[in-house]
Amino acid sequence: DIQMTQSPASLSASLGETVTIECRASEDIYNGLAWYQQKPGKSPQLLIYNANSLHTGVPSRFSGSGSGTQYSLKINSLQSEDVASYFCQQYYNYPYTFGAGTKLELK
Amino acid sequence: EVQLVESGGGLVQPGRSLKFSCAASGFTFSDYAMAWVRQAPKKGLEWVATIIYDGSSTYYRDSVKGRFTISRDNAKSTLYLQMDSLRSEDTATYYCARELGYFDYWGQGVMVTVSS
Repeated sequence: DIQMTQSPASLSASLGETVTIECRASEDIYNGLAWYQQKPGKSPQLLIYNANSLHTGVPSRFSGSGSGTQYSLKINSLQSEDVASYFCQQYYNYPYTFGAGTKLELK
Repeated sequence: EVQLVESGGGLVQPGRSLKFSCAASGFTFSDYAMAWVRQAPKKGLEWVATIIYDGSSTYYRDSVKGRFTISRDNAKSTLYLQMDSLRSEDTATYYCARELGYFDYWGQGVMVTVSS
């Protein structure tokens, strides 16, 4: 199975700040990577797919980058509604695997 | 608008069975692969199973293989998950999701608690 190592596990940032979350795959996943946002008590919502493509309706302050085994999610100009947990997921191979998540809070 | 609505969760004893469903609307159900993803309390996400658009192929994580069965009824735009020989470690919220490799739309989730 492909292991997804996500960092940091938690993050505290101020409104307007730029934050970056990293995800490392245990092998090359050829950009088969997605990012999700999950707010408490809600289902996950797709943000980014194919490592850098923005899902419909997602604000442009979210962006994804990376290749090979290293990927990142960047949130520009942090807003209060961005407080949530974020997960990466590889879909290069079954079984699909997720990172353990990053909990983003406001400072 | 894409909608996925799960139903049928609940409390079940270890070793027993449970089946729940996911009603889809707002898109042509028979065009898409569908999946179940679960999340144990206060834990991360875990892919469980996938069924391709016409039901001819299915994929499972090892820990549920032989115990869970994913199926679909394209005439009813409904996805199912039959769970047999349930274990305490199956306790989780189960989400149905439309799959394109990634999961672009998710249901609200159904809670399953396996406990005596």
